[in-house]
Amino acid sequence: DTEVTQTPKHLVMGMTNKKSLKCEQHMGHRAMYWYKQKAKKPPELMFVYSYEKLSINESVPSRFSPECPNSSLLNLHLHALQPEDSALYLCASSQSSGQGGFGSPLHFGNGTRLTVT
Amino acid sequence: GQQLNQSPQSMFIQEGEDVSMNCTSSSIFNTWLWYKQDPGEGPVLLIALYKAGELTSNGRLTAQFGITRKDSFLNISASIPSDVGIYFCAGNSNSGYALNFGKGTSLLVTP
Repeated sequence: DTEVTQTPKHLVMGMTNKKSLKCEQHMGHRAMYWYKQKAKKPPELMFVYSYEKLSINESVPSRFSPECPNSSLLNLHLHALQPEDSALYLCASSQSSGQGGFGSPLHFGNGTRLTVT
Repeated sequence: GQQLNQSPQSMFIQEGEDVSMNCTSSSIFNTWLWYKQDPGEGPVLLIALYKAGELTSNGRLTAQFGITRKDSFLNISASIPSDVGIYFCAGNSNSGYALNFGKGTSLLVTP
């Protein structure tokens, strides 16, 4: 079982809907991440939070809005998405913000399968 | 980010065979990570490597951090059907914090 929990597992939304993806970890990790993954492709980094502050935004469109309410929780708010945004959205965490380096590998959740209609 | 070349792209083998896949980078890395992803699941960390020359095992899996610091390999011995999935290498270079991923190796194992 993964120690990073994501809900919901599946989400279907229309282009005018507003929805949120949620992620929770209880490993005491100080960095949390959102990745987007298309079928048969590697994960692509979207956002990095370090000590609850946004440290990296990989030029993600504003229709994706991240939020880190506390060190254990990470949300991704979705609004006015496009069909091409359909993908697996993965949350990950690591002990430090070195993105896997410096002895702090990333641990992923099982993702939310998002379909935009 | 840095380009990672992962090969082979796919493998189709019989149960019991050994498997080898590798990743190379154009620059020096300080970390190599190997993940396995099953359909509909997130990537699961298999092995983490942090020192050049380091050889680490996890059950039937063995991975090594190349001494040039520009490559890593993952071996799976005596493959079984549940080894099926996509294996990703990932790593950090000395020049930045970004975690770079390879394109993945898709493994199919027939009984």
